[in-house]
Amino acid sequence: KAGVTQTPRYLIKTRGQQVTLSCSPISGHRSVSWYQQTPGQGLQFLFEYFSETQRNKGNFPGRFSGRQFSNSRSEMNVSTLELGDSALYLCASSLGRLAGLSVQYFGPGTRLTVT
Amino acid sequence: TQLLEQSPQFLSIQEGENLTVYCNSSSVFSSLQWYRQEPGEGPVLLVTVVTGGEVKKLKRLTFQFGDARKDSSLHITAAQPGDTGLYLCADGSSNTGKLIFGQGTTLQVKP
Repeated sequence: KAGVTQTPRYLIKTRGQQVTLSCSPISGHRSVSWYQQTPGQGLQFLFEYFSETQRNKGNFPGRFSGRQFSNSRSEMNVSTLELGDSALYLCASSLGRLAGLSVQYFGPGTRLTVT
Repeated sequence: TQLLEQSPQFLSIQEGENLTVYCNSSSVFSSLQWYRQEPGEGPVLLVTVVTGGEVKKLKRLTFQFGDARKDSSLHITAAQPGDTGLYLCADGSSNTGKLIFGQGTTLQVKP
């Protein structure tokens, strides 16, 4: 079974631009979560999508948004990029059961650099 | 807001040594998970523990969950260079895909 894939793996953008990152979950997984990882703040939860609906959201400004498609693939968008948005963006997928533990599997991440 | 504190932040040891890293939470864990992340990759789940006092072993790794479910330790016996990486503890809600992570312990095992 193929793992979680993220594209692109590396991205360089300029302040003020916007960016879209893509995540393809493991086949059969309906939940996709996004995280931002930086040296200073560590891994922080951005949001989770389940069956095309945002189920949970972290404490990030509205410039960060996402969506999920009917095939469970997900995209996240960051508008009006700031230097502080430079980070590794990780996507994780899971079965997304409403009860009980649901193991998350992470992709390799997209390294975003804002100059 | 739950806070997870991991210690130490950095650890550099020689191959063959033993080590222990710690994870403490400001509130009771829903479910405690330990991950290892290697450079350029996403975190990989090592173990999930739910029951207070639980001990799990994964080859040379021993995971212990505190009785009060607010702390955990990861002990590595006879560390090898392949153990090098960032070790992260996390609390996972059973109802959502939200994980709260500690800052991590960076382990370097020198040959």
